[in-house]
Amino acid sequence: QQQVKQSPQSLIVQKGGISIINCAYENTAFDYFPWYQQFPGKGPALLIAIRPDVSEKKEGRFTISFNKSAKQFSLHIMDSQPGDSATYFCAASRRAGGTSYGKLTFGQGTILTVHP
Amino acid sequence: DTGVSQNPRHKITKRGQNVTFRCDPISEHNRLYWYRQTLGQGPEFLTYFQNEAQLEKSRLLSDRFSAERPKGSFSTLEIQRTEQGDSAMYLCASSSLTGGTSGKAGELFFGEGSRLTVL
Repeated sequence: QQQVKQSPQSLIVQKGGISIINCAYENTAFDYFPWYQQFPGKGPALLIAIRPDVSEKKEGRFTISFNKSAKQFSLHIMDSQPGDSATYFCAASRRAGGTSYGKLTFGQGTILTVHP
Repeated sequence: DTGVSQNPRHKITKRGQNVTFRCDPISEHNRLYWYRQTLGQGPEFLTYFQNEAQLEKSRLLSDRFSAERPKGSFSTLEIQRTEQGDSAMYLCASSSLTGGTSGKAGELFFGEGSRLTVL
């Protein structure tokens, strides 16, 4: 019930292409879905997040698509750049204000490589 | 404030020794979290504090692990009698309940982690 499954494990994209990473969750109590970006030797950094009251959120080249009925969400990186090469983690948590908020359950990660 | 600070960044120890990690959160953040990340995996929740109160502990946090946040500011994570399976990156994160200049309410900011190697 607490799992978040992420795919693919690794992804290679050409510069300018679209990178797509998918996640699925089981716990219907989750209602906050962030994506984190992690470079080697660094801690994860929040990239973008969505709540289930919207089906899509866009910030610059990054878009989250959310399908509540399928319990799936995905990250799209448009015009992928070599500087985007990193490990990406999806995560899920329960509502802010509840004592569990911020206790993120992470996916297994996707290593993205963008070739120049 | 430059973000969440963790020390030491790297620790190599022999099996059976005790180690302690320190985390200094973003100053206005009242929640502080500890996560563990092993190679090729996502971070796993260990425990979190709201101010000085430890509100939740994961089953991953065995009796050999203890975390404190005595004055509601910095936190320490101590591992006693280390085992090789404890080798991992220990990540600290902080967040604000109400939001402010350092992020929205509940948004987690991670430190760069403390990497533990147990020989």
